[in-house]
Amino acid sequence: QVQLVQSGSELKKPGASVKVSCKASGYMFTSYAMNWVRQAPGQGLEWMGWINTKTGNPTNAQGFTGRFVFSLDTSVSTAYLQISSLKAEDTAVYYCARGGQWLDNWGQGTLVTISS
Amino acid sequence: QLVLTQSPSASASLGASVKLTCTLSSGHSSYAIAWHQQQPEKGPRYLMKVNSDGSHNKGDGIPDRFSGSSSGAERYLTISSLQSEDEADYYCQTWGTGIQVFGGGTKLTVL
Repeated sequence: QVQLVQSGSELKKPGASVKVSCKASGYMFTSYAMNWVRQAPGQGLEWMGWINTKTGNPTNAQGFTGRFVFSLDTSVSTAYLQISSLKAEDTAVYYCARGGQWLDNWGQGTLVTISS
Repeated sequence: QLVLTQSPSASASLGASVKLTCTLSSGHSSYAIAWHQQQPEKGPRYLMKVNSDGSHNKGDGIPDRFSGSSSGAERYLTISSLQSEDEADYYCQTWGTGIQVFGGGTKLTVL
């Protein structure tokens, strides 16, 4: 069955960087786009952008440009989200989700906490 | 601008039915949407895609108690025979050219 397994929780200091992974299994990785979604504490879902898994071309949503980078390693069917110059307001759960239109499978989420 | 609007909260009794609504912004009434469920302290789970004609395609393992329908710019999620585990946040989601959009979510309380 389709599975998206994300890396574990992270505790980082302001100004540091973090890289979250999302390993896919159960389907052909390059057949579906991969999206990233943020959920701040007590808030709703916010789409951050997506990456074309065939070409590696990323598209960042408004509000998620500059410090947010999407990448792939297709040899291990894994997508990555890297956030640099971390701020307190980046504290959130980050999800990967498969799909170019409707998002039909989700990772379990990675909690990233920014604290000095 | 593509926007989805949901009521912040809804409630219904155990064993009853509830119908949640997601409204597409003006000019987008032909769009399909997807429904996602997020139980407390868990990640979202895809429930179904609902087309403008009311047809819907459920995800694997989604019970028959969950169904979708449409009317104009509104897309609905109906949950019948409510169970305690249905208490959750429900999000609708749609897509345009190169973008995804989420509604603000509806918190469903099962009384």
